[in-house]
Amino acid sequence: NAGVMQNPRHLVRRRGQEARLRCSPMKGHSHVYWYRQLPEEGLKFMVYLQKENIIDESGMPKERFSAEFPKEGPSILRIQQVVRGDSAAYFCASSPPSRLWTGNTEAFFGQGTRLTVV
Amino acid sequence: TQLLEQSPQFLSIQEGENLTVYCNSSSVFSSLQWYRQEPGEGPVLLVTVVTGGEVKKLKRLTFQFGDARKDSSLHITAAQPGDTGLYLCAGGSQGNLIFGKGTKLSVKP
Repeated sequence: NAGVMQNPRHLVRRRGQEARLRCSPMKGHSHVYWYRQLPEEGLKFMVYLQKENIIDESGMPKERFSAEFPKEGPSILRIQQVVRGDSAAYFCASSPPSRLWTGNTEAFFGQGTRLTVV
Repeated sequence: TQLLEQSPQFLSIQEGENLTVYCNSSSVFSSLQWYRQEPGEGPVLLVTVVTGGEVKKLKRLTFQFGDARKDSSLHITAAQPGDTGLYLCAGGSQGNLIFGKGTKLSVKP
């Protein structure tokens, strides 16, 4: 049973370009969470999605960032017009439909996408 | 706003030594989780503590949840180089977990 798959592992973008980060949750998982980790910082919550629905986007920057989790295919985190401050590791986690990640249940992390904006 | 403060931020010790790292908050959490993250990888869950005063052991790792459920500690006995990594505590609810900044542990042979 494959774990959470994120791609690409490393992504380099020039300022002003778009970055698309993909996350395929574990088989059977329908909850997806995106986190950002800046150097020397902890993981910061960005968004929580279920299939075709955004449940909580309280951690998403108001501009340039968007996320989706379509009925078919991976979840996508999209960053438009990237700036140097967007350089970070972006992690996706997933949990099964019956086990919302409440801090008392487990979610499984992918290996992350390391975005570098030059 | 709930915050989790971890200390120390960095810890470098020799193989065989014991160590304790801390996770503190002014807020009450219904549960706390500890994760270990290696360079270039995602965090991996080590343990979840739920009950105030709870102690859980995972081989040489001992986790404790404070009586008031505002703090937690991780004690490692006879550390080994394989314990090297970033140790993160996390708590929260509804899919929006709060993470501390972590303790970066280096165990030298």
